[in-house]
Amino acid sequence: KAGVTQTPRYLIKTRGQQVTLSCSPISGHRSVSWYQQTPGQGLQFLFEYFSETQRNKGNFPGRFSGRQFSNSRSEMNVSTLELGDSALYLCASSLADRVASPLHFGNGTRLTVT
Amino acid sequence: GEDVEQSLFLSVREGDSSVINCTYTDSSSTYLYWYKQEPGAGLQLLTYIFSNMDMKQDQRLTVLLNKKDKHLSLRIADTQTGDSAIYFCAEKDSGAGSYQLTFGKGTKLSVIP
Repeated sequence: KAGVTQTPRYLIKTRGQQVTLSCSPISGHRSVSWYQQTPGQGLQFLFEYFSETQRNKGNFPGRFSGRQFSNSRSEMNVSTLELGDSALYLCASSLADRVASPLHFGNGTRLTVT
Repeated sequence: GEDVEQSLFLSVREGDSSVINCTYTDSSSTYLYWYKQEPGAGLQLLTYIFSNMDMKQDQRLTVLLNKKDKHLSLRIADTQTGDSAIYFCAEKDSGAGSYQLTFGKGTKLSVIP
């Protein structure tokens, strides 16, 4: 079974631009979560989607948004990029059929803002 | 709010056992996880334990949970150079329908040949 796939692997953008990252979950997984990883702050939760609905949101500004499609694929968007948005963005999927369902992560998208 | 603490570095010799420790503050945590991250990669799920368990063993990995002290440890037996990576402890709270994990800052394990 294929794992969580994130595209693209690397992105370089300029301050003020916007970016869209994509995530394809493991087949059959209905929950998709996004995390930001930086050397200073570590891993921080962005949001979680289930059946096309955002169920939970972390403490990030409104410039960070996401959505989930009917096939469970998800995208996240960051508008008006700032230098501090440079990070590894990780997507994780879960069966979400019970509380025990673990999260399985993709290899991430490395975003560099210049 | 929830907090998860880990020591930042651990160095062991190949063949020895490694013990990575983690403490958490959220007494309502239901599941606790260990993930491994190698350079340039995402997080690989190693194992997880339910909060009503004391111990879980999976091949070379042993997880110990002391719920009273909110202390979790991961023991890697016969540590190999391929085990060199960053190890993250994470906890999931008991909120209904919540799949949000709170992670520690990670412990960088270096294995000396």
